[in-house]
Amino acid sequence: AQSVAQPEDQVNVAEGNPLTVKCTYSVSGNPYLFWYVQYPNRGLQFLLKYITGDNLVKGSYGFEAEFNKSQTSFHLKKPSALVSDSALYFCAVRDRSGGFKTIFGAGTRLFVKA
Amino acid sequence: GAGVSQSPRYKVAKRGQDVALRCDPISGHVSLFWYQQALGQGPEFLTYFQNEAQLDKSGLPSDRFFAERPEGSVSTLKIQRTQQEDSAVYLCASGSERGEYFGPGTRLTVT
Repeated sequence: AQSVAQPEDQVNVAEGNPLTVKCTYSVSGNPYLFWYVQYPNRGLQFLLKYITGDNLVKGSYGFEAEFNKSQTSFHLKKPSALVSDSALYFCAVRDRSGGFKTIFGAGTRLFVKA
Repeated sequence: GAGVSQSPRYKVAKRGQDVALRCDPISGHVSLFWYQQALGQGPEFLTYFQNEAQLDKSGLPSDRFFAERPEGSVSTLKIQRTQQEDSAVYLCASGSERGEYFGPGTRLTVT
């Protein structure tokens, strides 16, 4: 069965510092992996998607994520956090060989302090 | 270009009523997903369409939930005989290989 874990309910970081939001997953086959961001009173916004190839995926707003197959992780990173990055972040996984069901993590709330 | 739109944005239904929620995907997107998001949780998969074909409906919670996409563009999620536990935000997403894009959602409240 597919599953996604976002081990941190909340991440706090100072503006200008690097940020990491963690995600680990479990699928029986090869995964598609996603990151989304949700701002207050706004819909989910697509940040990036891992399909295949380069393990470092670059996305919107300066975010990137690194696919690590041996650790089954897909952590979201940004070199320098902005106050405006404060939001709720969701990691999601889809098993390529298991239909089209996408499993979302419970979300991690990021607070960037000025 | 226009993004994914959903209507209505808010719906209040009395328990036992039927509701229909509409999704207008991004033009040309083959893939269309429906999700249910409860307060404070991540979205939960309901169903997937590729054009007009419903290829995965494994997430539909009961036979009261029904989705269609007859012409491969607009999709409707119908919930019959609504129950209080159906109260949630219903999200639609359309996608291509590049990514999947969500609409603003319909907040359904069953009283």
